[in-house]
Amino acid sequence: EAGVTQFPSHSVIEKGQTVTLRCDPISGHDNLYWYRRVMGKEIKFLLHFVKESKQDESGMPNNRFLAERTGGTYSTLKVQPAELEDSGVYFCASSHWTYEQYFGPGTRLTVT
Amino acid sequence: RKEVEQDPGPFNVPEGATVAFNCTYSNSASQSFFWYRQDCRKEPKLLMSVYSSGNEDGRFTAQLNRASQYISLLIRDSKLSDSATYLCVVNDPNAGGTSYGKLTFGQGTILTVHP
Repeated sequence: EAGVTQFPSHSVIEKGQTVTLRCDPISGHDNLYWYRRVMGKEIKFLLHFVKESKQDESGMPNNRFLAERTGGTYSTLKVQPAELEDSGVYFCASSHWTYEQYFGPGTRLTVT
Repeated sequence: RKEVEQDPGPFNVPEGATVAFNCTYSNSASQSFFWYRQDCRKEPKLLMSVYSSGNEDGRFTAQLNRASQYISLLIRDSKLSDSATYLCVVNDPNAGGTSYGKLTFGQGTILTVHP
């Protein structure tokens, strides 16, 4: 069974540009989550989808971040415009129920 | 105060040693508890869930004390391959208590097992 996949693995953009990250969950997992780790800090929750609905978006830092999951399959996380403090590793996870979440390899975002 | 606190280490132990990691959490409404391991520049991988009765998986034993809001992980007979960062993770409700999808992570404890 394929695991959670994320694209791209790395992205380097300039401040003010837009970046879109993609996550494909494990097939059949209705729950999809985004997390990020900024340098020196612990991994932090961003939001949780159940199918295409946002169940909890309490961790989204500000309105420069937009997450979507049209059709309840893959999800995208767009950062527009990117700021220096957005640099970090963005992880996606999925689960069948809301426990035992399985993480993707992450997208390493560098904003210069 | 951090929501999940761990001793960051690092712990440097010889092969065959027994090592214990401790973790405390602040939210009494936390529902589920886990240990994840993370290798350098990789994603967190679920090591084991932690149950109130305590549970064991091979060389790994996890304990949970809800009254004290304390979680532990014991690794016996350490192997070189156990070298990693161990993450204490709890499953918290959202603000309305209607969803339990959010995982809250500790900062991780670094373990190095040497020959």
